[in-house]
Amino acid sequence: GAGVSQSPSNKVTEKGKDVELRCDPISGHTALYWYRQRLGQGLEFLIYFQGNSAPDKSGLPSDRFSAERTGESVSTLTIQRTQQEDSAVYLCASSPAIMTDTQYFGPGTRLTVL
Amino acid sequence: GESVGLHLPTLSVQEGDNSIINCAYSNSASDYFIWYKQESGKGPQFIIDIRSNMDKRQGQRVTVLLNKTVKHLSLQIAATQPGDSAVYFCADLSGGSYIPTFGRGTSLIVHP
Repeated sequence: GAGVSQSPSNKVTEKGKDVELRCDPISGHTALYWYRQRLGQGLEFLIYFQGNSAPDKSGLPSDRFSAERTGESVSTLTIQRTQQEDSAVYLCASSPAIMTDTQYFGPGTRLTVL
Repeated sequence: GESVGLHLPTLSVQEGDNSIINCAYSNSASDYFIWYKQESGKGPQFIIDIRSNMDKRQGQRVTVLLNKTVKHLSLQIAATQPGDSAVYFCADLSGGSYIPTFGRGTSLIVHP
């Protein structure tokens, strides 16, 4: 069966440009998370979607970051006016319900802002 | 602030040895802990979890120990293999929260 997929796998962009990252969760998983992982660091929570409930955006670092998810399907994370400090691996995870269910992570998108 | 942290950033072991990776937490409300393995270029993979009403849980070649008195968590890997080489993260949740706090990770290097 297919796992969580993310695209693109790598993205190099210039400072000031907008980028859009995509996550395809496992079919049927209602919960979806976005994390940021800087080099040599742990995972930093960004945003959480659960079914049709309002997302928890408490981890988004600035208003340049936004994310959308339609129902229980694909999610996109958008970073506007990218800065060099946005360079990181962005990971998406899905789970059948809530955090206490096993999370399944995608391979991540490595974003490099020049 | 309260956080989950790791004692050692890098652990080198010989193939066949047992490995122990440690994690300290400070949030007394933490009640659910997870260990993840992250291989190079991949996302984290769930290994094992434990709730605060337990002090030990075993999986296949892995054991997690929880000492609530000193707020310490460890992951033991038996008969470590080269395929175990990866970064291991602990994560912590508390009080029904669904937002985990991850430590920096420990890089496990297994020498053949």
